[in-house]
Amino acid sequence: ILNVEQSPQSLHVQEGDSTNFTCSFPSSNFYALHWYRWETAKSPEALFVMTLNGDEKKKGRISATLNTKEGYSYLYIKGSQPEDSATYLCASHSGTYKYIFGTGTRLKVLA
Amino acid sequence: EAQVTQNPRYLITVTGKKLTVTCSQNMNHEYMSWYRQDPGLGLRQIYYSMNVEVTDKGDVPEGYKVSRKEKRNFPLILESPSPNQTSLYFCASSLTRGLGQPQHFGDGTRLSIL
Repeated sequence: ILNVEQSPQSLHVQEGDSTNFTCSFPSSNFYALHWYRWETAKSPEALFVMTLNGDEKKKGRISATLNTKEGYSYLYIKGSQPEDSATYLCASHSGTYKYIFGTGTRLKVLA
Repeated sequence: EAQVTQNPRYLITVTGKKLTVTCSQNMNHEYMSWYRQDPGLGLRQIYYSMNVEVTDKGDVPEGYKVSRKEKRNFPLILESPSPNQTSLYFCASSLTRGLGQPQHFGDGTRLSIL
């Protein structure tokens, strides 16, 4: 079984701060890395799917980078807002049809 | 509206009483999957299906069955539920397994097995 790890487990930041989280995954048999945003009492929503080494993707104030050689991805949030409070999940998709999720980073943005 | 629909949303039942959680998607997606969410463990894949009549085990398949007779439906069956299957369950679908397609999740089903 692949091991996907996310850090930190939880994070409190002030409104306006920029922040970033890490997702580590085994680099062998890499196919794709997914990021999801999961708000309390809702279902996970896709943010990014990244496949190529060096990929950078951006959606508004949120961006992500991918390093498949060393097996990590960073998610950045610029100028955090209270509505960014959520759990951010990453999932590794290998050459099989399986997905392995990390346990998530729980972000709380304080107004 | 494009969506993944799970039913029921909540269920409390007793050990050994067979139950089925339905999952339906209206996006003509090929790939469908079931996950369970337990505190501290993250989403763990139970079963997945690459297309009609093609299913395979995820990381935690014990005690579960699935079927994929139609493209839109992917029910999760617990033949003899036990308390350790108390969990939050999510169904998800994506267009295909390839090309880096994101998964679309249902709203979740919270099962309590007494």
